[in-house]
Amino acid sequence: SYVLTQPPSVSVAPGLTARISCGGHNIQTKGVHWYQQRPGQAPVLVVHDDTSRPSGIPERFSGSNSGHTATLIISRVEAGDEADYYCQVWDSSPLHTWVFGGGTKLTVL
Amino acid sequence: QVQLLESGGGVVQPGRSLRLSCAASGFTFDDFAIHWVRQTPGKGLEWVAIIWYNGETKYHEDSVKGRFTVSRDNSKNTVYLQMNNLRVEDTSVYYCARGGSAVAINYYMDVWGKGTTVTVSS
Repeated sequence: SYVLTQPPSVSVAPGLTARISCGGHNIQTKGVHWYQQRPGQAPVLVVHDDTSRPSGIPERFSGSNSGHTATLIISRVEAGDEADYYCQVWDSSPLHTWVFGGGTKLTVL
Repeated sequence: QVQLLESGGGVVQPGRSLRLSCAASGFTFDDFAIHWVRQTPGKGLEWVAIIWYNGETKYHEDSVKGRFTVSRDNSKNTVYLQMNNLRVEDTSVYYCARGGSAVAINYYMDVWGKGTTVTVSS
């Protein structure tokens, strides 16, 4: 089965840029989706299909996907961005499954 | 307002059964697939199952195959997760989430419920 690997934690100072990676074999061939989960809350979709933002998500959130690594990029980080972030893909082999990465805790210093 | 609301969680002994419900509102329910996703306390997200908009196609994660069954009643705007032969390791918060539609196939989850907690313990 397909495996997504995320770093357990990333730290960044307010106002700077956070980059959260999501590794997977030839992940560039898959659409990658990202979710933000604040403590005690349900996940929220922040980026879908590598680079697209749902309505209501700030432009500060963006994504990229190349080779074996997809990246969630959060510009001008704010205290409110502190949360867990999960990447997710759909895998069709051998059967339809939806795969999540292990999650990354973003700490705003 | 697009909304999903889970219910049916509780404390149950190993080997027993439980049925979760996910009630939808604010959108054309029978146009969309619905997922179940679970999260063990302090751990990550794990996909559990999906049911297509018309209920004819469904997929389950390997560890729950043969024990869990997803179904839907479009007349009630509700999706169910029947969980049989529960194990201690099934203890989690269970979320339902909206998936792709009949006209716009996608593979992400754009609306989530608040979750319902299932605790399996003797």
